[in-house]
Amino acid sequence: GQNIDQPTEMTATEGAIVQINCTYQTSGFNGLFWYQQHAGEAPTFLSYNVLDGLEEKGRFSSFLSRSKGYSYLLLKELQMKDSASYLCAVRPLIYNQGGKLIFGQGTELSVKP
Amino acid sequence: GAGVSQSPSNKVTEKGKDVELRCDPISGHTALYWYRQRLGQGLEFLIYFQGNSAPDKSGLPSDRFSAERTGESVSTLTIQRTQQEDSAVYLCASSSRQPQGMGLYGYTFGSGTRLTVV
Repeated sequence: GQNIDQPTEMTATEGAIVQINCTYQTSGFNGLFWYQQHAGEAPTFLSYNVLDGLEEKGRFSSFLSRSKGYSYLLLKELQMKDSASYLCAVRPLIYNQGGKLIFGQGTELSVKP
Repeated sequence: GAGVSQSPSNKVTEKGKDVELRCDPISGHTALYWYRQRLGQGLEFLIYFQGNSAPDKSGLPSDRFSAERTGESVSTLTIQRTQQEDSAVYLCASSSRQPQGMGLYGYTFGSGTRLTVV
């Protein structure tokens, strides 16, 4: 089966660092994605990992360990606008330049002053 | 087009009626996906089209749901005899032919259709 787990909600303070964890069990692995979704809006791409290690992009970093079925999204220097839902998604199979993503339930992050 | 376009953005329908949702993917994207997102929940996979291959319909929740796609362009998702549990945001996405800084064949989502069944 396919299973993606992430915490339902987290709270952090403006200017701080927060780490959102994601564990997965899927029938295959061809990449892990993180998306940000503000209330009432479409998900927007944040990061992509396919090899083990850390990918850094500005204030956001994402880590992957394939052997542990584990990823995290690290947000630094939190801003109020970072309050959103963060979705972890795994692509079990690449097929002909595409492939469906299996999403976790999302982590609702609230950033407080 | 510049992005994935979905219409209508909002739809209120009476229980038992049929609805049709439309998705216009990014030009040149061979793959198109439909997802459903209930309030406060994650994205639930519905169906996936890839070029001329048979679609992956494994996520469709019942035979009231169907989808079509014409070539590599517009797709329509049809829900027959709508029920209140069908109320959700229906999101469409398409994926790039070439990796373009969104991860290998990453998705671009449309803004969704918010369906309310009363």
